[in-house]
Parts: sequence; structure tokens; C-alpha cells
Amino acid sequence: ETGVTQTPRHLVMGMTNKKSLKCEQHLGHNAMYWYKQSAKKPLELMFVYSLEERVENNSVPSRFSPECPNSSHLFLHLHTLQPEDSALYLCASSQVRGANTGELFFGEGSRLTVL
Amino acid sequence: QKEVEQNSGPLSVPEGAIASLNCTYSDRGSQSFFWYRQYSGKSPELIMFIYSNGDKEDGRFTAQLNKASQYVSLLIRDSQPSDSATYLCAVNQGGKLIFGQGTELSVKP
Repeated sequence: ETGVTQTPRHLVMGMTNKKSLKCEQHLGHNAMYWYKQSAKKPLELMFVYSLEERVENNSVPSRFSPECPNSSHLFLHLHTLQPEDSALYLCASSQVRGANTGELFFGEGSRLTVL
Repeated sequence: QKEVEQNSGPLSVPEGAIASLNCTYSDRGSQSFFWYRQYSGKSPELIMFIYSNGDKEDGRFTAQLNKASQYVSLLIRDSQPSDSATYLCAVNQGGKLIFGQGTELSVKP
């Protein structure tokens, strides 16, 4: 199995739908992340979980709701999204979270299109 | 001012040449610096990290750090067409990894 897997790989949803993105890591890591990647923009950190506790919420709108039931799984629940939320959503994990943390292992991403 | 700034390119170099990718950052207290490579349609993967001023070499890749100038660079020697990708600079600021927008590199055969 690959280190970090994300499903679905592609998602098209209307503005009134509710959907969820799923991420699973098989690396035994303790920290998991959601990043948003839009065209021509830097990767934007959305949420960080360390040992299943949310330690970072980067001013993300409430229409994005993360959930981390255990150290191997991370979800991003989506509801009443806007077209500008269309982007590639990347999940990542790292062994620990700290001042020198930078070795992130990324999943292949979930390409979201909001109509 | 952007926290981590890179020239978006595209940077085009001929096969066998040296490709030089540059990055500046705004937080003078940053201690750790990373280079990721992202092929088109794929996710980023870590290729180099550097913590101390000076050069760090790994195969054809050399990372250079100058904390006084708040500048980090990546040199790729003997560039190959397979090196064509977007290179993302990332800086750990207070435990958060902040990315630049990436430089697109194209190596022409």
C-alpha cells in the first residue's frame, strides 16, 4: 500500500451538496495535514492534527470541517461550498510536528470542482 | 510581503546545464528549509532539506542557505529532461511549513 492514500481522487459537487474527503496514512506518523493547492498559488495550510488533536486552524471558513478519529485517518467534510473552493486538496503526514518538521509525505490529492 | 517568495518561471535550461532555483523568506527566525519537487499531476515530494548556513550536496542537487540574506537556493547539476517539474521552496516558521508558489523548470533535450 502507498504511504498516504486519498479518496476520492476527483469530486464534482454542487454548492448545496455535502461530501467528504478521506485520507489514510500507513506510515505510523503522528501528525496529519490538509493543504489546498490552487493554480498559480502557494500551497495553503488549512488544518494540522498532532496525535489526533487539532493544533492549527488557519482561518479556514466553517464550510470546511476536519475530523481526525485516529492517527491514521483524516477527513475533510465539505458543505455549501463556493466555486472558488475548486482546487486540489492534499493530505500529508509527518512523523512528528515541530520546529524542524518539514518532511511531509503527501497523498495524490483530491481534485474538487464546485459547480 | 509574501512569506516565501519564488520566481514562478518557467525556467528553461538545456540538458546538461546547471539549473539554479532561488527562494527568499520573510521570517528571520526560520530555522529549517526544504525543497520539494512536484511533477505535473502529481503530489509534492521532498528532495532536500538544509538547516545550517552554507552548502549541502546530495548527488546532482546542492542546497544553499544564507540566513543573513534570508535566501535559500537549489542547484541542479547536469540537468536532465526528467528534472522538468515545479520546485517548491518551503520554510518552517514556528512549526508551520509555509510554501512558496513554486518555480517551473523545463529541461530541453
